[in-house]
Amino acid sequence: DTGVSQNPRHKITKRGQNVTFRCDPISEHNRLYWYRQTLGQGPEFLTYFQNEAQLEKSRLLSDRFSAERPKGSFSTLEIQRTEQGDSAMYLCASSLGQVSYEQYFGPGTRLTVT
Amino acid sequence: ELKVEQNPLFLSMQEGKNYTIYCNYSTTSDRLYWYRQDPGKSLESLFVLLSNGAVKQEGRLMASLDTKARLSTLHITAAVHDLSATYFCAVDGSGGSQGNLIFGKGTKLSVKP
Repeated sequence: DTGVSQNPRHKITKRGQNVTFRCDPISEHNRLYWYRQTLGQGPEFLTYFQNEAQLEKSRLLSDRFSAERPKGSFSTLEIQRTEQGDSAMYLCASSLGQVSYEQYFGPGTRLTVT
Repeated sequence: ELKVEQNPLFLSMQEGKNYTIYCNYSTTSDRLYWYRQDPGKSLESLFVLLSNGAVKQEGRLMASLDTKARLSTLHITAAVHDLSATYFCAVDGSGGSQGNLIFGKGTKLSVKP
């Protein structure tokens, strides 16, 4: 399978703990995006990378959130000191950038903060 | 602030009927995207509309874009149960730099026999 992959698929954590999610984009895609989706809503943009450079961050991305994409391949999204309001599906997407505008989404990581 | 509005938000259809989902957005954008999401699943890309007047069709779904009216439509022809899902439209929120997508709230479609 050469699609976008995300790990873990599900994460249950206690409030105040740190969590880290991983996204592996489609191999030739140089753009990688993170979104958050809560129940009954559309995905909300968090941040995106072109290669290893983080080019844009949403105001939703508080200082408890950090994302990296070392070497321009996989990306990690870390949430520190989780809160119950962080419970959501975290979606990763990738695209070819200027060659193609289409974003391909991974299966998501569902986070539950208890 | 760029806003994307879809209507209806919920749609219950009978098999064999036709219907249209509307997507309005609040600022200039030459690109519009339609995605499908099944319960508990991720988003599947349906259409990418790249210019004014663009029309794309796949099976029973047809999407169109009017950039002057800031309106896209997703038309369903002769609905079947397999089309039951939530449909999202999205526009590029970065002024064309292919950054973030701004999504509507989605239209939850239920096709009944």
